[in-house]
Amino acid sequence: DIQMTQSPSTLSASAGDRVTITCRASQSISSWLAWYQQKPGKAPKLLIYKASSVESGVPSRFSGSGSGTEFALTISSLQPDDLATYYCQQYNSYPYSFGQGTKLEIK
Amino acid sequence: EVQLLESGGGLVQPGGSLRLSCAASGFRFSSYAMSWVRQAPGKGLEWLSAKSGSGDSTYYADSVKGRFTISRDNSKNTLYLQMNSLRVEDTAVYYCAKSQVPQTYYYCAMDVWGQGTTVTVSS
Repeated sequence: DIQMTQSPSTLSASAGDRVTITCRASQSISSWLAWYQQKPGKAPKLLIYKASSVESGVPSRFSGSGSGTEFALTISSLQPDDLATYYCQQYNSYPYSFGQGTKLEIK
Repeated sequence: EVQLLESGGGLVQPGGSLRLSCAASGFRFSSYAMSWVRQAPGKGLEWLSAKSGSGDSTYYADSVKGRFTISRDNSKNTLYLQMNSLRVEDTAVYYCAKSQVPQTYYYCAMDVWGQGTTVTVSS
């Protein structure tokens, strides 16, 4: 099974900052990686798929990069509405797996 | 509008059973693989199971294999999760989610999620 490891676990940043969350897979998953945003008390929302493709309706400040085993989610200019926990997920092979999550706090 | 609505959660004793339902609307249900994902209180997301659109392919996480059964009724646009031999550690919010791409069971992110249904396993 493929293990996904995110870092950091918690990130505190100010509005307007550029922030990056990283995700590492235990083996190559090509570009079969998604990023989800989960706000408190809500269901997850798909942000990025296939490592770097932005889901329709997602603000352009969100971007994804990487392939193989190393991936990143970048928010170019942090907004207060971005307060959430972010998860990466591999869908290269079953069983699918998620990273442990990165909680993003706004200073 | 594409929507998923879970139901069937509740309080159950350890060793008991529960069946969750996920009613889908706004898309051609039979064309899309569907998944169940759960989230224990204060914890991260855990993928549990997926079933192809036709229903002929199924996968499970090791944590639920042999205890949980995923099924679907395409005539009713509904996905199910039968949960048997429930344990305290199965306490979680359970989400159903739709695969992004039709007609394939592989290489699909999950683009639409329900609001979740809460399962509490306690004596």
